[in-house]
Amino acid sequence: SYVLTQPPSVSVAPGKTARITCGGNNIGSKSVHWYQQKPGQAPVLVIYYDSDRPSGIPERFSGSNSGNTATLTISRVEAGDEADYYCQVWDSSSDHPVFGGGTQLTVL
Amino acid sequence: EVQLVESGGGLVQPGGSLRLSCAASGFTFSSYWMSWVRQAPGKGLEWVANIKQDGSEKYYVDSVKGRFTISRDNAKNSLYLQMNSLRAEDTAVYYCARVGGGNIVATIHFDYWGQGTLVTVSS
Repeated sequence: SYVLTQPPSVSVAPGKTARITCGGNNIGSKSVHWYQQKPGQAPVLVIYYDSDRPSGIPERFSGSNSGNTATLTISRVEAGDEADYYCQVWDSSSDHPVFGGGTQLTVL
Repeated sequence: EVQLVESGGGLVQPGGSLRLSCAASGFTFSSYWMSWVRQAPGKGLEWVANIKQDGSEKYYVDSVKGRFTISRDNAKNSLYLQMNSLRAEDTAVYYCARVGGGNIVATIHFDYWGQGTLVTVSS
């Protein structure tokens, strides 16, 4: 099955830019989606179709996807952005959605 | 406003059964694929099952095939997950999620999630 690799943790100072990567074989050919999950809460979709933002998600959240790496970028990071972030794609070999292992974003 | 409210979780012994429910509101339930996604304590997200708008197609992760059954009642705007032969490794928070991306499987994502219901399998 298709494997998505995320760094376990990323740390960033307030006001700086955080970049969370999601690696996969030729992931650039897939549609990547990103979820934010704060402690004790359900996941929230923050990016879909590589770079689209659902309504209500700040413009500070953006996404890109090329080659073997997709990236979620959070600009002007705020304390409220501290959360776990998961990437997700459709695995055509197993015919089901797969998630990355998640990245814990810490705001210093 | 889209709302998904799960219920039915609890403590069950290994080998036991449980039926989860998800009440949907704020959208035309019968127009969307729906899914169950679970999260074991301290772990990541794992997709469990999908069901098509009319219930005619259902898909499962290998680890639950033959034990779990996803179903829906469009008249009641409700999604279900019947879980049989439960194992310790099924212990997780189970989320009901609406599937975005239309009928194009390669673009499937989960645009709305419920708050989840905890299933604990233990003797």
